[in-house]
Amino acid sequence: QKEVEQDPGPLSVPEGAIVSLNCTYSNSAFQYFMWYRQYSRKGPELLMYTYSSGNKEDGRFTAQVDKSSKYISLFIRDSQPSDSATYLCAMTGLGNAGGTSYGKLTFGQGTILTVHP
Amino acid sequence: DGGITQSPKYLFRKEGQNVTLSCEQNLNHDAMYWYRQDPGQGLRLIYYSQIVNDFQKGDIAEGYSVSREKKESFPLTVTSAQKNPTAFYLCASSTDGGRLSSYNEQFFGPGTRLTVL
Repeated sequence: QKEVEQDPGPLSVPEGAIVSLNCTYSNSAFQYFMWYRQYSRKGPELLMYTYSSGNKEDGRFTAQVDKSSKYISLFIRDSQPSDSATYLCAMTGLGNAGGTSYGKLTFGQGTILTVHP
Repeated sequence: DGGITQSPKYLFRKEGQNVTLSCEQNLNHDAMYWYRQDPGQGLRLIYYSQIVNDFQKGDIAEGYSVSREKKESFPLTVTSAQKNPTAFYLCASSTDGGRLSSYNEQFFGPGTRLTVL
């Protein structure tokens, strides 16, 4: 079983739809939770990150973390064709807690999202 | 402009050859990382370096080697011992390798696509 599970999709939605992307994880030592966006043939770029549980909003994007359920989500409101990309969740712990080394990110498989006009 | 550069963008290798992928950063970051990305598997850590002249194996280091002689450079050699090297390789850097009380964002380069002929 992988430490981080993410539905690879692909996910196709019409412009303006609300998109929900999710990851589950098994390592309770994870404290920081990130969402990266990766356009085709490019490197990933950090979209949002959240520390511990709770919600974080940035424009059309909302990240949610539920540590009790080991479940994180990214919501995209009013989706646009320019949002079409692969979305990767990633997480890390602090120090060597739970076997997670400093700075090491554990990634989900990535979800391919297409928003069509 | 500050950033991470990777070269070449595309690389073709014959069976039995070693090839070296370049990664350079001018962000004055201490930590650098190499990831491999395969379809449906997300990013997997190959090697990382938290400081010059020091590096650690990641999850899939077999068949790869690195050096960190300069702060701004972290080349990756894919050796003939790597049985399935065709993949998208991503280099990243961060301010440092992570501390007990904070997370440091990893910035990614544009990637090198390696194909074995």
